Amino acid sequence: EIVLTQSPATLSLSPGESATLSCGASQSLSSSFLAWYQQKPGLAPRLLIYDASNRATGFPDRFSGSGSGTDFTLTISRLEPEDFAVYFCQQYGSSLTFGGGTKVEIK
Amino acid sequence: QVQLQQSGPGLVKPSQTLSLTCAISGDSVSRNSTTWNWIRQSPSRGLEWLGRTYYRSKWYNDYAVSVKSRIIINPDTSKNQFSLQLNSVLPEDTAVYYCARGQWFYYYAMDVWGQGTTVTV
Repeated sequence: EIVLTQSPATLSLSPGESATLSCGASQSLSSSFLAWYQQKPGLAPRLLIYDASNRATGFPDRFSGSGSGTDFTLTISRLEPEDFAVYFCQQYGSSLTFGGGTKVEIK
Repeated sequence: QVQLQQSGPGLVKPSQTLSLTCAISGDSVSRNSTTWNWIRQSPSRGLEWLGRTYYRSKWYNDYAVSVKSRIIINPDTSKNQFSLQLNSVLPEDTAVYYCARGQWFYYYAMDVWGQGTTVTV
């Protein structure tokens, strides 16, 4: 099973700042099979990025994904109040697994 | 607009069977370019994919190793829905359970989710 490790666990930032979230895989992934999700309290996760770098419908271009192999990054530039949430990475190449999540909280 | 509506009991006794249903509107459980998934989330285990069903000229199922001996996911084409059955539940199966669609366009990432069902064992 491929293990995804996300860091940091919590990111404390102010609106307007940029966030860099990391997702490391225990084995090399095809980038096509790496996704990021946003989850707000009491709601289901929402697909944010697929194929490592493609934004899903409804997310603005301040969200960007990058990476390949075992190292992937989600960057949120100019944080807006609605961006404070928990972010999960997920691989779906070998079975499906999720990372433990990064909480982006207001400083 | 595709929607997934979950139903099922929120309380299950240990050793019994957890059964949930996910009704699909705006899409078809039989569509070739989709997968239909069950995921759960708990503080101790985080997000955990449980399994999926999908149709590619015939029906297929994939299950997570952690629950493979206890899980059945079934499509129901007559009602356009799919179901989760988890047998011999334990207190550690307590979680919020979600159904979700995987779509080929998104390389089978899950783009539509049900509302979640809190299940307590």
